[in-house]
Amino acid sequence: AAGVIQSPRHLIKEKRETATLKCYPIPRHDTVYWYQQGPGQDPQFLISFYEKMQSDKGSIPDRFSAQQFSDYHSELNMSSLELGDSALYFCASSSWTSNNEQFFGPGTRLTVL
Amino acid sequence: AQSVTQLDSQVPVFEEAPVELRCNYSSSVSVYLFWYVQYPNQGLQLLLKYLSGSTLVESINGFEAEFNKSQTSFHLRKPSVHISDTAEYFCAVSERNAGNMLTFGGGTRLMVKP
Repeated sequence: AAGVIQSPRHLIKEKRETATLKCYPIPRHDTVYWYQQGPGQDPQFLISFYEKMQSDKGSIPDRFSAQQFSDYHSELNMSSLELGDSALYFCASSSWTSNNEQFFGPGTRLTVL
Repeated sequence: AQSVTQLDSQVPVFEEAPVELRCNYSSSVSVYLFWYVQYPNQGLQLLLKYLSGSTLVESINGFEAEFNKSQTSFHLRKPSVHISDTAEYFCAVSERNAGNMLTFGGGTRLMVKP
């Protein structure tokens, strides 16, 4: 069965650079969630989208923005990167047909040098 | 707002021994409850969930968890662990009718020793 796809899987950036993380949800899933997991930390909810509209917002810094496109894929844009942004970024998708269970992608590991 | 507490950050146990990973939550509304497992350098995999109905839920690999509303707990148990169960386990909660974003506990590292 198709799973959530995230790209890239690994990304290395310098401080103050920008990064774009992409998430491709499971086909027919209309909701996408982004989570950030720092080293040794639990995942923290950043933001979610339903039918291309932002539905909930968590602890997402103002330097970050995200959107969901017409094909339901989502992109997380990160600017003015800081060392503390180094983390695993997970995307999850769900739909009412999945009983709103969230299916997680493998994550993108971002390292800021 | 909801919160999740996993009291044990690490649980060492010998192979074939029973184990319980504790999870308590706090919420002013009804919730859905989940356990996720994360193997080293991998993503989160759903282990089991409680949405409604029977308070005892089971996974296909021998784990079970029981929702206790009065104690606001959702402890994870397995009667006999295997080396392959070594991983990080996260308890998570989402509030009914309030979006589906998950709030995670701090995680419990289960270390199964031979």
